[in-house]
Formats: sequence, structure tokens, C-alpha cells
Amino acid sequence: DGGITQSPKYLFRKEGQNVTLSCEQNLNHDAMYWYRQDPGQGLRLIYYSQIVNDFQKGDIAEGYSVSREKKESFPLTVTSAQKNPTAFYLCASSMSQGPYSNQPQHFGDGTRLSIL
Amino acid sequence: QQPVQSPQAVILREGEDAVINCSSSKALYSVHWYRQKHGEAPVFLMILLKGGEQKGHEKISASFNEKKQQSSLYLTASQLSYSGTYFCGTEISGAQKLVFGQGTRLTINP
Repeated sequence: DGGITQSPKYLFRKEGQNVTLSCEQNLNHDAMYWYRQDPGQGLRLIYYSQIVNDFQKGDIAEGYSVSREKKESFPLTVTSAQKNPTAFYLCASSMSQGPYSNQPQHFGDGTRLSIL
Repeated sequence: QQPVQSPQAVILREGEDAVINCSSSKALYSVHWYRQKHGEAPVFLMILLKGGEQKGHEKISASFNEKKQQSSLYLTASQLSYSGTYFCGTEISGAQKLVFGQGTRLTINP
């Protein structure tokens, strides 16, 4: 079955430590996205990528980094510069048809990150 | 530029109807609607493109008023399975990304 796999489901970070969240999709989608969700809040865009080897900052990119070396993979690194990283992180993907978002986004099951 | 959803929360009895609104201060190209159950991934419901179309899927439908820069989601004869948080995601023309509202929590009681 096609879908998006995020791992791990739960992750704990020590102060000053970088951690990487994995996101893999086998939907053959061009576009991939990372969102952050805080309790009772909506989804806020961290980074997105429309094509391999290219990505753009979203609304809250500070303290995060990404890479897009393969079409199916879009890992997110939460760096020590992110002072409040505790949140639920969601990865999504969609078919890309030009400059507009007229395709649905498919979400993974998320990674819950906590600070020790 | 985050769209504003209203109401923030609503409690219904099974079989009652609900309307969830999503308003933007910017001109919109498209509006997406998603539903998220607690602790789970959001699930896509529908997309509305500019042009004022209305779409429907069984007892869930939506409209998009381009001039008013708003969209509404209609849930008719609600079922217990409709419970969850509903998010609208809006795309400002040319932005190539969605901005999501803060969500509307819908609770359906028997």
C-alpha cells in the first residue's frame, strides 16, 4: 500500500542536542512538507519542497533544517537552536501540478518530540 | 495571514447539522478542508478552487465565496464518526503553500 511513513513515533531530545525526524513516501509525489502542531493549535509550515534538491522555508523555519536528496525522502532536523521543540511533527506529500496547491496533501502519522 | 475559523468548538447530538466557517484577509486561490482525530494524522476531505464552486461528499459539503474570501463546511445529519477537529487550509494566489486555520473541534454525542 502506498503512503507516508514517519519515524520514530515518539522521540526524546536532551538540551543542546540535534535530532532528525524521518519521512518517507512511496506515492511518487513531487512535493513534500513538514508541519508543526502544538496542543490546540493548527498546523504551521516549517519547510516544503516541490522537487528534489530544492526546498523553501515555511513560516517557522528558524531552528530547523531539511534536505531533499531523493524524491521519496524528506528528513527534518531539529537543531539545538530551536528553543521550544516540544510538539507534534507532521510530514505530508502531494502531487505537484505547477504553482498552485490544487492537489490534496497526504499526511503521515506524525512524530511526537519531547525534551528531557 | 492565518485564516480564522469559527466557531472554535461545537457540540452536537447525533443527527444535527453543523456549519464551520473559514475566513481570510487575503485573496484566495484555493481552500482545502481536513479532519483530524485526536492523536492521528489529518485526513483530506475536499478542495475548492476559486470560481465559487460548491462540492459535496455524502453528507459533507462545502462552498467557497471568492469575493468574500471565505469558505464554509456543512455537515448534515451528523454521525458519531464526524467527531474530530476540522481544519481549513488556504492558499493565497501564487503562494504555492497552504496556511491552516486554528481548527474547529466538533463533538458529536449520541
